[in-house]
Amino acid sequence: GAVVSQHPSRVICKSGTSVKIECRSLDFQATTMFWYRQFPKQSLMLMATSNEGSKATYEQGVEKDKFLINHASLTLSTLTVTSAHPEDSSFYICSAIDLAGVDTDTQYFGPGTRLTVL
Amino acid sequence: DQQVKQNSPSLSVQEGRISILNCDYTNSMFDYFLWYKKYPAEGPTFLISISSIKDKNEDGRFTVFLNKSAKHLSLHIVPSQPGDSAVYFCAASALNRDDKIIFGKGTRLHILP
Repeated sequence: GAVVSQHPSRVICKSGTSVKIECRSLDFQATTMFWYRQFPKQSLMLMATSNEGSKATYEQGVEKDKFLINHASLTLSTLTVTSAHPEDSSFYICSAIDLAGVDTDTQYFGPGTRLTVL
Repeated sequence: DQQVKQNSPSLSVQEGRISILNCDYTNSMFDYFLWYKKYPAEGPTFLISISSIKDKNEDGRFTVFLNKSAKHLSLHIVPSQPGDSAVYFCAASALNRDDKIIFGKGTRLHILP
């Protein structure tokens, strides 16, 4: 089955630094990728929808200048948390779908990245 | 190894009847379970959740049942409506350890007129 990877799986950084998280579709072309943030004991919150070759669409309340998303190729999307603060500490998950494929319902989730900002 | 399994890739139910979506898990450390609903070409949206201290949680037409001894949960939708046609993902998390969410592969629900 299709696989989505994320790198790194865990990252610890100092407040004020920027962190980049990669999301890769390993055996299919992901025309669309989604970025989610998970808060403790809460469900996933959709942050943005990333389409290959175009600007990401951010959900209301998500700062696009703080959470930079780049979907430069059909297999890679990156989320950069700029000037990270402790409140950005969270679990970030990406998922991918292949709109050009047969089954646009199927969504493949990455394993997530745990970000801790000190 | 799949920790969260949705063994039925698809399910068809008559409008007005009850839809039952099933999910099994293998990790006994899971203590929080969620259901997500997904329409084509969109990201999944949160539907309902249940903590392991409960065996039932109800929200309108949606009820989730948890059987810890069987490591099984189910989502009941009653009555089923055309707008319920979507893919439903079961997910699980171990909040007391690492609250990473693990997703099942989804079940496609078709509501028939």
